Amino acid sequence: KNQVEQSPQSLIILEGKNCTLQCNYTVSPFSNLRWYKQDTGRGPVSLTIMTFSENTKSNGRYTATLDADTKQSSLHITASQLSDSASYICVVRALNDYKLSFGAGTTVTVRA
Amino acid sequence: GAGVSQSPSNKVTEKGKDVELRCDPISGHTALYWYRQSLGQGLEFLIYFQGNSAPDKSGLPSDRFSAERTGGSVSTLTIQRTQQEDSAVYLCASSSSGYQETQYFGPGTRLLVL
Repeated sequence: KNQVEQSPQSLIILEGKNCTLQCNYTVSPFSNLRWYKQDTGRGPVSLTIMTFSENTKSNGRYTATLDADTKQSSLHITASQLSDSASYICVVRALNDYKLSFGAGTTVTVRA
Repeated sequence: GAGVSQSPSNKVTEKGKDVELRCDPISGHTALYWYRQSLGQGLEFLIYFQGNSAPDKSGLPSDRFSAERTGGSVSTLTIQRTQQEDSAVYLCASSSSGYQETQYFGPGTRLLVL
């Protein structure tokens, strides 16, 4: 069964600080990996997408990395803001499969 | 609106009652997905509609769950004889065409079965 594991489950950081979220997956054959941000009471919104040949992708203060050999990804948040408080979900798609594999998410709380 | 909309946003029901959840996808999107999100768990695939093709219902957890998509647009997810374990957030997503496209999610319906 394809799995996506995220860590930590939750974290609290002070406004202005950086943090890094981790995602390990076993999905194979690999097609792409997305990071989604889900605000409380809202649906997930795509932040980044990376394919096999890409090892880094940025979206503003969010930078995702991918190591397809070790099947690991990270999401780095720089200079965190209160609005970054949300759940961040790692989502992996297998080749030729419309079903996505979702991680359980990392809940980030940014405090002033 | 421009995004995926879902209704109701919240639903509280008694065990044994039937509920119907609605999803309005982005106009023109041919693919539509239903997911269930339980606390502390990743999204669970329920069903996939693509154009006029037969839907993939392989994720529906029991025969109490069913879904329809009328006219290739609006979709309804029906849960019959609800159980307490059905309590979750039900998310709908749509994408423009094939499964490689970005899925755009609605805000979800929070279902609580008492």
